[in-house]
Amino acid sequence: QLVLTQSPSASASLGASVRLTCTLSSGHSSYAIAWHQQQPEKGPRYLMKLNSDGSHSKGDGIPDRFSGSSSGAERYLTISSLQSEDEADYYCQTWGTGIQVFGGGTKLTVL
Amino acid sequence: QVQLVQSGAEVKKPGSSVKVSCKASGGTFSSYTINWVRQAPGQGLEWMGRIIPIFGTANYAQKFQGRVTITADESTSTAYMDLSSLRSEDTAVYYCAIQGGANIDYWGQGTLVTVSS
Repeated sequence: QLVLTQSPSASASLGASVRLTCTLSSGHSSYAIAWHQQQPEKGPRYLMKLNSDGSHSKGDGIPDRFSGSSSGAERYLTISSLQSEDEADYYCQTWGTGIQVFGGGTKLTVL
Repeated sequence: QVQLVQSGAEVKKPGSSVKVSCKASGGTFSSYTINWVRQAPGQGLEWMGRIIPIFGTANYAQKFQGRVTITADESTSTAYMDLSSLRSEDTAVYYCAIQGGANIDYWGQGTLVTVSS
C-alpha cells in the first residue's frame, strides 16, 4: 500500500535552516513526490516536484530558499534562511495508478 | 498561469447533498486532470477523486465510492464535485486542484461546507 509518512512537527530558529522528511512506504522508494505548503488560514500552495534522484522542479515564484533532495525512500524539503512566513504546514504528496496520496503533514514552527 | 476559482461556502443539513464548482482559467482545461481534496477542521489533506475532462472519466478514493460524483464541463472550463448523504463528519474545506502532469501543481481557494442540523 502506497503510504507517505511525515513527522507531525518540526521547529527551527529564524534565519536558520530546517529539513523536513517524507518517507515512502516499502516497495515505493522510486516514486517521485510533490511538496505543498499551507500557511495558517490559507489554502495549500504547490512548492515543487521531487524525483527519486533528487532532481526537482519548483512551482511559480517559489524562492531559492526552498530545495529538495532524496535518499532511498526518503524525500526531503530543505528551507534555508527561515523567515516568519515559512511557519506553515508542509504536505508531501505522491501518486499511483488512479490515486493521489498525501502524507499527514508536518507543522513547522519558526522560533 | 492557471487560476482556479471555487464556489462559495455552503451550509447543509445531514442527509442532503452539496455541489461545489471549480472554474479554471489561464490554461487548457481539457489537458488537465482535476482533483478534489478535502480538509476537515484541524486535519490534513484527504484526496477524494479526480476527473480527466478530455476523456470524461473519473475515479474515486475507496472511502467516497458511491457518495461522490465528479464531473467537468469543457465548454465552461468548470469542474464539479457532488457529495451526497452528508453527515457532520463531512464538514470540511473542499479544494479543487489541477495536475498539469503527474502531480498537483495548482490549487483552488477552497470552499467551506458545513453540515449541521
